[in-house]
Amino acid sequence: DAGVIQSPRHEVTEMGQEVTLRCKPISGHNSLFWYRQTMMRGLELLIYFNNNVPIDDSGMPEDRFSAKMPNASFSTLKIQPSEPRDSAVYFCASSFDPIFNTGELFFGEGSRLTVL
Amino acid sequence: ELKVEQNPLFLSMQEGKNYTIYCNYSTTSDRLYWYRQDPGKSLESLFVLLSNGAVKQEGRLMASLDTKARLSTLHITAAVHDLSATYFCAVDPDAGGTSYGKLTFGQGTILTVHP
Repeated sequence: DAGVIQSPRHEVTEMGQEVTLRCKPISGHNSLFWYRQTMMRGLELLIYFNNNVPIDDSGMPEDRFSAKMPNASFSTLKIQPSEPRDSAVYFCASSFDPIFNTGELFFGEGSRLTVL
Repeated sequence: ELKVEQNPLFLSMQEGKNYTIYCNYSTTSDRLYWYRQDPGKSLESLFVLLSNGAVKQEGRLMASLDTKARLSTLHITAAVHDLSATYFCAVDPDAGGTSYGKLTFGQGTILTVHP
């Protein structure tokens, strides 16, 4: 299996620009999670989906952040407009039916975002 | 709100020594996970602990779970340089139920093993 695939791996942009991060979960996994990692705040859960439906977006920092999962194999996290404090590594993770399985999360390689 | 606390947050060890990382959490849970992260890399699953008294071992690392004490430990035996990384514990308080497998992570323990 190819694992969780994220793109882009690195993004450098200027304040005010729109940023779109993409994630392809492991085939067959039905839960998808977006995390953000910074030195100051550690790993923060932003939003998660189950069977393509957003379950909890209470971790999304502001209305500038939005996420979609139009189908089982694709999700996006969008920041518009971006600000320097959004600079972080954004991880996507997926898991398979945690009620009947181990609930182990599988992480992508991350998207490192720098907003100048 | 679930809190997951690791200690120590920084650990500098000599090769060959033993040490333990502790993970305390604030609510009932039967599911605890340990992950490893190398600098600039993703998180890699190390152990999945799914019941009270569970013990898992892989090489020089051994993890255990005491759900009554709400405590998990990650024990390092005879440390080697290759174990240098950040180690995270994570808890699922709902056993995959209505939270659909949402994990709450500890702050991470940065382990450095010196020759």
